[in-house]
Amino acid sequence: EAGVAQSPRYKIIEKRQSVAFWCNPISGHATLYWYQQILGQGPKLLIQFQNNGVVDDSQLPKDRFSAERLKGVDSTLKIQPAKLEDSAVYLCASSPVGVPNTEAFFGQGTRLTVV
Amino acid sequence: AQSVAQPEDQVNVAEGNPLTVKCTYSVSGNPYLFWYVQYPNRGLQFLLKYITGDNLVKGSYGFEAEFNKSQTSFHLKKPSALVSDSALYFCAVRDSGNTPLVFGKGTRLSVIA
Repeated sequence: EAGVAQSPRYKIIEKRQSVAFWCNPISGHATLYWYQQILGQGPKLLIQFQNNGVVDDSQLPKDRFSAERLKGVDSTLKIQPAKLEDSAVYLCASSPVGVPNTEAFFGQGTRLTVV
Repeated sequence: AQSVAQPEDQVNVAEGNPLTVKCTYSVSGNPYLFWYVQYPNRGLQFLLKYITGDNLVKGSYGFEAEFNKSQTSFHLKKPSALVSDSALYFCAVRDSGNTPLVFGKGTRLSVIA
């Protein structure tokens, strides 16, 4: 079974530029999460989707971050404009619906450096 | 609101010795608890989870964890540490179903040969 795919693996941009990350979850997983992991901290949820609907985006900085999952499969997370404090690893995870208390399956992440 | 505390930033242990990585949690309902491991430049890998039942949970790579409701703890253990166990370990909690996992800040485990 293929895992969660993320691209790119690494990205370096200047502040005020825009950037986009892509995630393809495990086939059949209806729930998709984006987490932000700042160096020295645990992952923090940015947004949760179920199919193509947003379940929780309460911690997403909506003035600069946006995410979509138009067809209920892959997802894109965008930052515009980027700030220095956005430097982090962005992790995508997925899990199936209807399997009680299953764990979330994580991709390898995208490491963003804003200079 | 749910929260997880991992009181140790770093744990050092000699190879072959037992290891413990501590985790305490706070949740309003029944806790569902997870441990993940992260190797350099890799995503999070699932180790084990507690949902219900036996308080001692066994997982991947010889790891186990003990759920203690009265102490609200879920400490990760291994009887004999390997150098290859050196990594960053995260404890996580959710309160129900498919709600997002809430993670601790992580504990770096260093196993010395």
